[in-house]
Amino acid sequence: EIVLTQSPGTLSLSPGERATLSCRASQTVSSRYLGWYQQKPGQAPRLLIYGASSRATGIPDRFSGSGSGTDFTLIISRLEHEDFAVYYCQQHGSSPYTFGQGTKLEIK
Amino acid sequence: QVQLQQWGAGLLKPSETLSLTCAVYGESLTGYYWSWIRQPPGKGLEWIGEIKYSGNTFYNPSLESRVTLSVDTSKSQFSLILSSVTAADTAVYYCARVFHYDYVGGSYRHYPRFDSWGQGTLVTVSS
Repeated sequence: EIVLTQSPGTLSLSPGERATLSCRASQTVSSRYLGWYQQKPGQAPRLLIYGASSRATGIPDRFSGSGSGTDFTLIISRLEHEDFAVYYCQQHGSSPYTFGQGTKLEIK
Repeated sequence: QVQLQQWGAGLLKPSETLSLTCAVYGESLTGYYWSWIRQPPGKGLEWIGEIKYSGNTFYNPSLESRVTLSVDTSKSQFSLILSSVTAADTAVYYCARVFHYDYVGGSYRHYPRFDSWGQGTLVTVSS
């Protein structure tokens, strides 16, 4: 099973700042199988990024993804209030498909 | 735009069987895979399994002995059954569509992702 480890566990930033979230895999993951999801309290997760760097439909361009191999990154260039949430990375290349434990992005 | 609406019993006793159904609106089941994911209260996400519209199934080995997924294309629905539940199965259960292939530049690219989700159903297992 591929374990995805996200860091930091909690990130405290202010609106307008840049957020950098990391996802490290225990084994190599093809970029095409790495995605990022945003979850707000009481809501289902929402797809942000797939294929490591492709934005899902309707996702603003302040969200960007990058990485390859075992190290992947989600960047939010200028935080807006609605961006404060929990973010999960996920791999869909090797069963069982797994999620990271999440990074909570909170307002400083 | 595809919408998923799910339902099922929210309170079970240990050893009972969990049963959830997810209806798909605005898109055919055909051509897609459909998945179930769960989230224990305050914790992360766990993939349970997914089913192709044709009925092929793929399960998380940790749950495979207790899980059955099925699809009913005539009703545009797919379902989850989890047997012999315990308190450890208490979670919000989500159904989701798995979008596998993009058609770009004359060819298909495999970029699987959970692109549409149901609203979630809290299932509590308690005696």
